Amino acid sequence: EVQLVETGGGLVQPGNSLKLSCATSGFTFSTAWMNWIRQTPGKRLEWLAQIEDKSNNYFISYLESVKGRFTISRDDSKSSVYLQMNNLKEEDTAIYYCTWGSPFAYWGQGTLVTVSS
Amino acid sequence: DIQMTQSPASLSASLGETVTIECLASEDIYSNLAWYQQKPGKSPQLLIYDASSLQDGVPSRFSGSESGTQYSLEINSLQSEDAATYFCQQHHDYPYTFGAGTKLELK
Repeated sequence: EVQLVETGGGLVQPGNSLKLSCATSGFTFSTAWMNWIRQTPGKRLEWLAQIEDKSNNYFISYLESVKGRFTISRDDSKSSVYLQMNNLKEEDTAIYYCTWGSPFAYWGQGTLVTVSS
Repeated sequence: DIQMTQSPASLSASLGETVTIECLASEDIYSNLAWYQQKPGKSPQLLIYDASSLQDGVPSRFSGSESGTQYSLEINSLQSEDAATYFCQQHHDYPYTFGAGTKLELK
């Protein structure tokens, strides 16, 4: 059974950082292209970043508006993908999901990030 | 970026009815269109990919079609469990973009 479990969310002040983790199981992670997607309080879905596999040199794509603030990474030995978020803004408040598949056939349960002073 | 204009924003229908939700892409996405269903408190679930291919385990009352840059999701014989919000998403080009969603309510 495919499982994706996000952790690391919480309440953070504007300007601070947070690192999200997504632990996976049930599929061959090393060849998987992984994504982070967020859902705003208004229910809008926004794709943030994708990291490809080793055979594609771990190529990374970002949504332009988060480039330079967010960093996606992976650890194939731990079957995990990460999202480092710096200089957080109130508009980054959302539920953050990691996903696998193109399109996104598998989603985690999400982790809530609240950016507020 | 490719814009996905989804309509209607909400609709109400009765059990057994057929409903259609539409998404208009701002440019050609070559059938790279997916539909998701999201129930309250849950993650989105993939229903259809490549405009008309049914994801494993999805009931056959769900179907997708396309006409140019207009994509449609049809749900036949509405069941109570179909009450949810539906999103379209283009997976043709980065950044992948979603429609704003359609909230389906059962009367």
